[in-house]
Amino acid sequence: EVQLVESGGGLVQPGGSLRLSCAASGFTFSSYAMNWVRQAPGKGLEWVSYITSTSSTISYSDSVKGRFTISRDNAKSSLYLQMNSLRAEDTAVYYCVRETGRPNWGQGTLVTVSS
Amino acid sequence: DIVVTQSPDSLAVSLGERATINCKSSQSLLYSSNNKNYLAWYQQKAGQSPKLLIYWASTRESGVPDRFSGSGSGTDFTLTISSLQAEDVAVYYCHQYYSIPQMFGQGTKVEIK
Repeated sequence: EVQLVESGGGLVQPGGSLRLSCAASGFTFSSYAMNWVRQAPGKGLEWVSYITSTSSTISYSDSVKGRFTISRDNAKSSLYLQMNSLRAEDTAVYYCVRETGRPNWGQGTLVTVSS
Repeated sequence: DIVVTQSPDSLAVSLGERATINCKSSQSLLYSSNNKNYLAWYQQKAGQSPKLLIYWASTRESGVPDRFSGSGSGTDFTLTISSLQAEDVAVYYCHQYYSIPQMFGQGTKVEIK
């Protein structure tokens, strides 16, 4: 069974940093591209970032470009999102999503940016 | 960028009646090499993460009741709930995963009339 488990969320002050992790199991992690998607409280879903299986191609939404860094460790079956210079508008539940014909989602981790 | 536009924003339907949600993309989501449309539908209930209902535009996820169906190809897609049940009250999203940046519809809130 495919499982994606996000962690690392929490409360952080504006301007601060946080690193999210996504632990994958139940499939060959190194064969799949991955995404981060977020959802602000009471709002819709927003794609954040994408990374290919070998990390050869990486993309970001305009709203996080230059502040967030996606990475992966295929040996550990893990996906990461380093978030710097956090703003109040980055407050959201962050999901990791497997890139496949049948998308798989984790349960999400809540990031709250507030003083 | 491929933009998806979902309609309506909200929908009130009587129990047992049909609910229809539309999603239109600015470019075709049909991948010619496998003849698949890279369009998914999700259901999100209050306080929960999105639940996959339909992928490849019309393939029902395992365990999803058959009253949920997806149709369409290219740029126009529809999610149909054939006989609305009380447990179907939720927000529904379409999702284009044909290209990066992936995009989601703005959501349709389905309520009981």
